[in-house]
Amino acid sequence: AQTVTQSQPEMSVQEAETVTLSCTYDTSESDYYLFWYKQPPSRQMILVIRQEAYKQQNATENRFSVNFQKAAKSFSLKISDSQLGDAAMYFCAYRSPGAGSYQLTFGKGTKLSVIP
Amino acid sequence: DGGITQSPKYLFRKEGQNVTLSCEQNLNHDAMYWYRQDPGQGLRLIYYSQIVNDFQKGDIAEGYSVSREKKESFPLTVTSAQKNPTAFYLCASGRWDRLNYGYTFGSGTRLTVV
Repeated sequence: AQTVTQSQPEMSVQEAETVTLSCTYDTSESDYYLFWYKQPPSRQMILVIRQEAYKQQNATENRFSVNFQKAAKSFSLKISDSQLGDAAMYFCAYRSPGAGSYQLTFGKGTKLSVIP
Repeated sequence: DGGITQSPKYLFRKEGQNVTLSCEQNLNHDAMYWYRQDPGQGLRLIYYSQIVNDFQKGDIAEGYSVSREKKESFPLTVTSAQKNPTAFYLCASGRWDRLNYGYTFGSGTRLTVV
């Protein structure tokens, strides 16, 4: 079974600074999908960014970007110019490519605090 | 607008009672999922369904049951066999084509045993 590990239970960043959240995963597959989800205090899960393993180019969405290291099985999230609204739980998730294997496996999350 | 609706937002259960959490989507997604969220545990998969009238157990299915009689609906019943049901429950639906893939989540139900 695939596992997803987020080694930082909590992190903090100064407003306008940059922070990187770590995620590693275990898989024997060569093609798969990776995601970062944000859960603010409202508890609504919001997709931040996604990456397909066959794409070598790192995904970016405005201030959010990933560092995808396939050989190292690492998928870190970088948040630039941090804003107060970025304070939330962040979950890394993995999905294998096979037919019928549509469920996501989530890490335990990283709680990000933004300091004004 | 399309989305997923979970109800109720808060639910209280007495010991020994079964309760049902509702999840409805109008996104025309085939796949639907139920996750349980506990502090420090992330999201753990309870059940999932990829088509109507079919569903599969996830990692923590014991004490839960589901049905999928309509594409739009995937209710979760928390039975009295679930020993520790107090948690936050999230429903999701999934789209998996190459151009647009991932989950859409509902806003969750907080279940408390009283």
